[in-house]
Amino acid sequence: GIQVEQSPPDLILQEGANSTLRCNFSDSVNNLQWFHQNPWGQLINLFYIPSGTKQNGRLSATTVATERYSLLYISSSQTTDSGVYFCAALYYGGATNKLIFGTGTLLAVQP
Amino acid sequence: NAGVMQNPRHLVRRRGQEARLRCSPMKGHSHVYWYRQLPEEGLKFMVYLQKENIIDESGMPKERFSAEFPKEGPSILRIQQVVRGDSAAYFCASSPVQAHEQFFGPGTRLTVL
Repeated sequence: GIQVEQSPPDLILQEGANSTLRCNFSDSVNNLQWFHQNPWGQLINLFYIPSGTKQNGRLSATTVATERYSLLYISSSQTTDSGVYFCAALYYGGATNKLIFGTGTLLAVQP
Repeated sequence: NAGVMQNPRHLVRRRGQEARLRCSPMKGHSHVYWYRQLPEEGLKFMVYLQKENIIDESGMPKERFSAEFPKEGPSILRIQQVVRGDSAAYFCASSPVQAHEQFFGPGTRLTVL
């Protein structure tokens, strides 16, 4: 089955710093999503990005489907960015339609 | 437009009891998914349903777990005779069509004593 790997597993930043999180996937996927799980456990949709680049405020994401990776950029990090960032690849084929999640990057932004 | 709704948000059960978790998808969404997040782990797919049909239950444990999405009302994930290993966060997601962005509810945190 599809494998999704994320790096780094954890990251500590000072407020204001920039960071890049990486997601590698092992096979062709139909789509890719990035999520932020905040310290209260809620999953927040960040990007739905099968290919190309998207930006939303201080966050942007790039997916290069042919090379099987996606990157999430966080600029000018804030303490509220803390939490776990997951990427998830959508596997759709036949009767199945499911997200395969990576193991996440735990981000701590210190004031 | 209300998001995906789940209830209860927190559920405590004793070993051997039944747990019922409910999920109302976003308006206009007819595809529902359940995922489980064990402590300190990522989310794992459990089951994919459309109205009155289970499409893919390849991630469901073979025993004690069942799911439904009736014609009327919310989707239900049912866990019979719960054990401590069932303690986890259970998330529901929905999408308007297949192969589309999935939107997640706030989750139900199940604790089995």
